[in-house]
Parts: sequence; structure tokens; C-alpha cells
Amino acid sequence: GENVEQHPSTLSVQEGDSAVIKCTYSDSASNYFPWYKQELGKRPQLIIDIRSNVGEKKDQRIAVTLNKTAKHFSLHITETQPEDSAVYFCAASPLNSGNTPLVFGKGTRLSVIA
Amino acid sequence: EAGVTQFPSHSVIEKGQTVTLRCDPISGHDNLYWYRRVMGKEIKFLLHFVKESKQDESGMPNNRFLAERTGGTYSTLKVQPAELEDSGVYFCASSQVYGSPLHFGNGTRLTVT
Repeated sequence: GENVEQHPSTLSVQEGDSAVIKCTYSDSASNYFPWYKQELGKRPQLIIDIRSNVGEKKDQRIAVTLNKTAKHFSLHITETQPEDSAVYFCAASPLNSGNTPLVFGKGTRLSVIA
Repeated sequence: EAGVTQFPSHSVIEKGQTVTLRCDPISGHDNLYWYRRVMGKEIKFLLHFVKESKQDESGMPNNRFLAERTGGTYSTLKVQPAELEDSGVYFCASSQVYGSPLHFGNGTRLTVT
């Protein structure tokens, strides 16, 4: 089955700097890669996702890149703000291989220092 | 629209006791998932319902865990008898169709002492 590795487990950046979180996956059939943000005491919320027919997707200060050959994908947050502090989870799933559920990484705790 | 709701938000029980967690998915969402996060680890899949049917329960740890979704609406997850290693945050998520984004509930933090 799918295995998702996520690094780093914790990340501290100064406000205004960029943050990068990286994930690798094992199942070459995976073709859907969402990222979830979980603020303290709240539910995980989808912030961006990418499918395997594109290599990069951007939404304001957030971007995700995908390298299917290397089986890795990354989340990039630019101009970080204190409200970006949260735990971020990457996930992978082969959408067209039956109802295979999302497999999550272990999460990255991002702290943005003002 | 109302989001995915879970009850209770917290539960503290002793080893050997029984606990039942409830999840109300977003109305109209046929797909309902249970996940669990043990501290510092990944959000791990437990099982997946499509309407009232168990589509995939490969993530259920053992037979102390029983999930139901009668009528294809809300779902319950019962742990009986609870063990210390069952402690964690249990998340429920739903999606309208398979492949559409998952909407998570706030989770139930279960502590077994």
C-alpha cells in the first residue's frame, strides 16, 4: 500500500520568510495530493491540492509542486505570517484505483515567529 | 451548510470501559471516513463507508473497534473494551463523491487511563 513520508516534523521561520514542507510517496498509482492545515484545536482543512496531470499549482501565497518521476511533492508558503502557524499534513491517494482512502504524512508543525 | 460534527469533543475513560463516538457528516455526503491520530504521528485511516456499507475497513486496529452507519446518515465508532493505546484524536471526514475533497470534523480526543 501507499506510504507517505513528510519532512520536517517541525519548522520555525521568521515572519516574512518562506517555508517549504516536503513529502514523498511510494505508490506510483497515486495521482491526488492534497494538503491540510490544522490550527490548534481546530479541524484539518484543505488548503490546496494537486493532481498528477499538473506539476505546479499556486493560490496566493501557497504553492504546491509535484514531481511524479521522483514521487515527491512539496508545499511552499511565501511571505509567512503568524496565522500560518499550524500543523500541515500532506496526503496521497490513487483516485482511479477503486475507493482507496487518503494516506497522510505525519505532519509538520510550522511556527512563524513575529 | 453545516460542517461535519463529532461528539463528544473529549472523552476520558478508564481502561476496560466502553466509549462510543458519533459523527454527523455533511448532509448528502455518501462517503464517510474515520481516521485516528496518535500524538505526533500520521492521521491514520480506519475505515470508509459509502452510504451504509463498509467500503474499506482495512485500517481498523482490531475487533475491539466497531463502526456502524445505520441508514447511511450518521456513524458511530465504538471501542470496547478500551485500552491505553487507543488514546488519540479520532477524526471523521465526509465527501460528496469519491475523489472530492474531504471535509473533517473537529475530532474527538479520547484519553484512556
